[in-house]
Amino acid sequence: GAVVSQHPSRVICKSGTSVKIECRSLDFQATTMFWYRQFPKQSLMLMATSNEGSKATYEQGVEKDKFLINHASLTLSTLTVTSAHPEDSSFYICSARISGSSQSADTQYFGPGTRLTVL
Amino acid sequence: AQSVTQLGSHVSVSEGALVLLRCNYSSSVPPYLFWYVQYPNQGLQLLLKYTTGATLVKGINGFEAEFKKSETSFHLTKPSAHMSDAAEYFCAVSALNTGFQKLVFGTGTRLLVSP
Repeated sequence: GAVVSQHPSRVICKSGTSVKIECRSLDFQATTMFWYRQFPKQSLMLMATSNEGSKATYEQGVEKDKFLINHASLTLSTLTVTSAHPEDSSFYICSARISGSSQSADTQYFGPGTRLTVL
Repeated sequence: AQSVTQLGSHVSVSEGALVLLRCNYSSSVPPYLFWYVQYPNQGLQLLLKYTTGATLVKGINGFEAEFKKSETSFHLTKPSAHMSDAAEYFCAVSALNTGFQKLVFGTGTRLLVSP
């Protein structure tokens, strides 16, 4: 249980285009999802917290207009990188928390990640 | 605010040897602590977690960790390393003052296992 999927797993795009990454909780409902960015051989950096039906909360230094997050349902959050540039190339990972008060509600379950390369 | 320090960016062991990955945390309130493993080009998989109760926590793949409040540590151990354990390991902390929502990660430790 507690499986999170991401799509696509890998994307290459031209500079100036926009890219959408989907994060889905497959076997549970997730009121809250998280988006992280990971640079090579580094730790995960939290970009934003996404709550179903409301605006995302962005971490300091993350451009909300560049990284658009939508959490339209309890099983889907999307991250759109707008007008992507080479410096946006990175590994993007989402995670989800199980809704409710179950024993697993305090745990984040991670997706497999999306490798974005901007040419 | 919470923080995590993982000592040693790389740890090398021989197959069959004891694995010890160190994690120290800082938190002004009682923390929840997690260990995750990441294989190349993949997301993170939960190994184990400590929330409350028993301080020795057993996880998947034979790993365990012990919460030591006096030492502010949560070191990860495995009695006998296997080649398949080679991966990146992350320690993370969350706390009540963020509703246990926000995870703060350490910088990770790469475990290398030699035959």
